[in-house]
Amino acid sequence: GAGVSQSPSNKVTEKGKDVELRCDPISGHTALYWYRQSLGQGLEFLIYFQGNSAPDKSGLPSDRFSAERTGGSVSTLTIQRTQQEDSAVYLCASSLERLAGGQETQYFGPGTRLLVL
Amino acid sequence: AQSVTQLDSQVPVFEEAPVELRCNYSSSVSVYLFWYVQYPNQGLQLLLKYLSGSTLVESINGFEAEFNKSQTSFHLRKPSVHISDTAEYFCAVSAGGTSYGKLTFGQGTILTVHP
Repeated sequence: GAGVSQSPSNKVTEKGKDVELRCDPISGHTALYWYRQSLGQGLEFLIYFQGNSAPDKSGLPSDRFSAERTGGSVSTLTIQRTQQEDSAVYLCASSLERLAGGQETQYFGPGTRLLVL
Repeated sequence: AQSVTQLDSQVPVFEEAPVELRCNYSSSVSVYLFWYVQYPNQGLQLLLKYLSGSTLVESINGFEAEFNKSQTSFHLRKPSVHISDTAEYFCAVSAGGTSYGKLTFGQGTILTVHP
């Protein structure tokens, strides 16, 4: 079946512009995660969705970052007024939630490579 | 809170040699442990995971990892590597007792297999 897809694969933007990154999880996966992979910080958790609600937004680095999920499926990560330090690969992952917390395998998308000039 | 340390940022080896990629973690609660692999120009894929039971877990392509609670380690090993194993490997943990699987990753180890 289809895996997690993300779009765009690459995005170049100018400092101060807003960007939207999209994630299509695997069909039927109720859990959705966003992570960021950057040279200086490695792989960092950003936000977790259970269905359409986000019980854990603790990894969002500033109030310029927001995310939503609709229909228990597609998610959009929005970065407002982008800064150069936002340059990174943004990864989306999804999983089932059949097992007790923390045990499920997360399936990752290919990522969106964001470059802020 | 959890943290993960991968002790080697780069590991070069020759084909058919054994390899060990080291991972240590710290946590105040029980954890589940994962190794993910990222091949060049591809996304992260699960290699293997430890949830409970036998402390030795294996992957389908010959890797194995052993959970050592006393040393808080989850080192990844393979007795004989192939060129195709060249990739970046990430050790990760999720906290037990939570309702979801937020992952904390190590910094990654780049394994380069030379002919």
